[in-house]
Amino acid sequence: QAVVTQEPSLTVSPGGTVTLTCDSTTGAVSSGHYPSWFQQKPGQAPKRLIYDTSNKESWTPARFSGSLLGGKAALTLSGAQPEDEADYSCLLSYSGGRYVFGTGTKITVL
Amino acid sequence: QVQLQESGPRLVEPSETLSLTCTLSGRSISNSYWNWIRQSPGKGLEWIGYVYYSGFTNGITNYNPSLKSRVTISADTSKNLFSLTLTSVTAADSAVYYCATRDFDYWGQGILVTVSS
Repeated sequence: QAVVTQEPSLTVSPGGTVTLTCDSTTGAVSSGHYPSWFQQKPGQAPKRLIYDTSNKESWTPARFSGSLLGGKAALTLSGAQPEDEADYSCLLSYSGGRYVFGTGTKITVL
Repeated sequence: QVQLQESGPRLVEPSETLSLTCTLSGRSISNSYWNWIRQSPGKGLEWIGYVYYSGFTNGITNYNPSLKSRVTISADTSKNLFSLTLTSVTAADSAVYYCATRDFDYWGQGILVTVSS
């Protein structure tokens, strides 16, 4: 089955911009994979930030945005805040109704 | 707003069966998909599978191929809950188990299950 890979860790300065990517071993990620992005803080359940590539939840801060970039799904954080320090995971949907989560990226705001 | 709550034994012996329940409030279990996900300590999220129940089906399921031979997910409409059963567990099945809605927009708080004798 597909493996979905993300950067293990990234560091961003407060107020800075960082882009996380989500890559699939089966080929280019497209809107047909309905990419979602989740934020998870220690001891908490994941919280969905982005769905269907670029749609935001009502609770998603405006500084987060989703897109497709060079055959990958991408999550961009513009104007990082200390509270954005967390683990971020993507989720892709595959044919047959199956899902695969990405390996996860730990974001440090420093 | 839908709320989900996982429950079940937190300690399971190796080779035994892990059984968890996800109780829903604020939404009927019927006519929607319901997911189970797990996360091993310090590791990433792993989709386990989902169940769909309607008045016309007995429960359509779909499982992660890597777990398919050991997993069963079922729904109990009378109690508005769905369940996860994982057989022949090993230490590698120790994880926080979450239940979630069809689109993964609402999650339970998770339950840590340890496989150990």
